[in-house]
Amino acid sequence: IAGITQAPTSQILAAGRRMTLRCTQDMRHNAMYWYRQDLGLGLRLIHYSNTAGTTGKGEVPDGYSVSRANTDDFPLTLASAVPSQTSVYFCASSPSSGGSTDTQYFGPGTRLTVL
Amino acid sequence: GQNIDQPTEMTATEGAIVQINCTYQTSGFNGLFWYQQHAGEAPTFLSYNVLDGLEEKGRFSSFLSRSKGYSYLLLKELQMKDSASYLCAVIDSNYQLIWGAGTKLIIKP
Repeated sequence: IAGITQAPTSQILAAGRRMTLRCTQDMRHNAMYWYRQDLGLGLRLIHYSNTAGTTGKGEVPDGYSVSRANTDDFPLTLASAVPSQTSVYFCASSPSSGGSTDTQYFGPGTRLTVL
Repeated sequence: GQNIDQPTEMTATEGAIVQINCTYQTSGFNGLFWYQQHAGEAPTFLSYNVLDGLEEKGRFSSFLSRSKGYSYLLLKELQMKDSASYLCAVIDSNYQLIWGAGTKLIIKP
């Protein structure tokens, strides 16, 4: 089934631990995105990738890193988790290589709690 | 700064019509999206407007006025399954998607 998968579905993490959220898409989309969603706030862009091999910083990149080794995968790493990173994380993708008005398609999300 | 405003919450009755407004102030404009998000789920695409006017798609319609920085989503013949949050998002001059906080729509029988 075509779409975006994310893992894990949810996670409780101790502060200071390292964590990687996984995102895989099988639609051969060029652009991929990581957002966080917090109550009362709009989706905020953490990092993005317009095409395999390139990444860029979004609105709230501090404390997060990404890589894009191939078209399908776009993992998000928290090097040393802090409680303020408690949030729901969504991965998304769109067909074109950035600079477009393409619709973004979202994965099911990862609910992360940092204690 | 860039800003998108939507009401936080709205309540409507099953079978009725509801209009959810969105006003925006962004650096440039390359289009506006509406997404639906059920609780605990991912946002899903509803509509895209780039020209002024009304776009109709079944029970849902979306309107845009670029000169007023204003859009609305109109939902007709409301069903219980329409209970969800509705997110407005604008593509700015850098082709970044700027998101509103969303409007939680509660449908009552």
